[in-house]
Amino acid sequence: NAGVTQTPKFRVLKTGQSMTLLCAQDMNHEYMYWYRQDPGMGLRLIHYSVGEGTTAKGEVPDGYNVSRLKKQNFLLGLESAAPSQTSVYFCASSWDRGNPVTDTQYFGPGTRLTVL
Amino acid sequence: SQKIEQNSEALNIQEGKTATLTCNYTNYSPAYLQWYRQDPGRGPVFLLLIRENEKEKRKERLKVTFDTTLKQSLFHITASQPADSATYLCALSPGGSSNTGKLIFGQGTTLQVKP
Repeated sequence: NAGVTQTPKFRVLKTGQSMTLLCAQDMNHEYMYWYRQDPGMGLRLIHYSVGEGTTAKGEVPDGYNVSRLKKQNFLLGLESAAPSQTSVYFCASSWDRGNPVTDTQYFGPGTRLTVL
Repeated sequence: SQKIEQNSEALNIQEGKTATLTCNYTNYSPAYLQWYRQDPGRGPVFLLLIRENEKEKRKERLKVTFDTTLKQSLFHITASQPADSATYLCALSPGGSSNTGKLIFGQGTTLQVKP
């Protein structure tokens, strides 16, 4: 049981390049989330999904797109990277239908992204 | 506006003492509040959840209180150890019980326990 995994762990991009971050969970969770964490700003929600095929905007969605084609995977895309997107990105998941909803989230190890 | 705030400055204490971290919120009515631990270079890890009808919850050396009148939660680590050094995040569900699982996180308080 790997929990939540993220790929890649580190990445350096040039301004204008694109990339996709992959998040996978093996806990049969319905909900998945992408956050960014910056010094002094805490965790900020980028996009989230409440089920396969559904996505919604969070607090800071601009410049990012997401897809959830399979229940276990949640992809975060940067179409044209900007230096302001330099951050640590965390994926999280919560709730399997066999348990009461508590919103407890399980996080991946993070992806450290630098945009030059 | 809705806010969730934790002690922004680092908390330094001596080994063996009790650490107390504060989480205050405004304009929310959460059904429960959660505490997470985050070590450098890692993702947050869930520690404890306390519901609005619970005054206090304990887990080993950890204790959490939840005062919905004061809109405040306190997180205590008794008999602290250097291994407890980390950043601690509080989080709540906006608007009470949710059907999205979304959480709002505080900025975190960094605890340093000195031997």
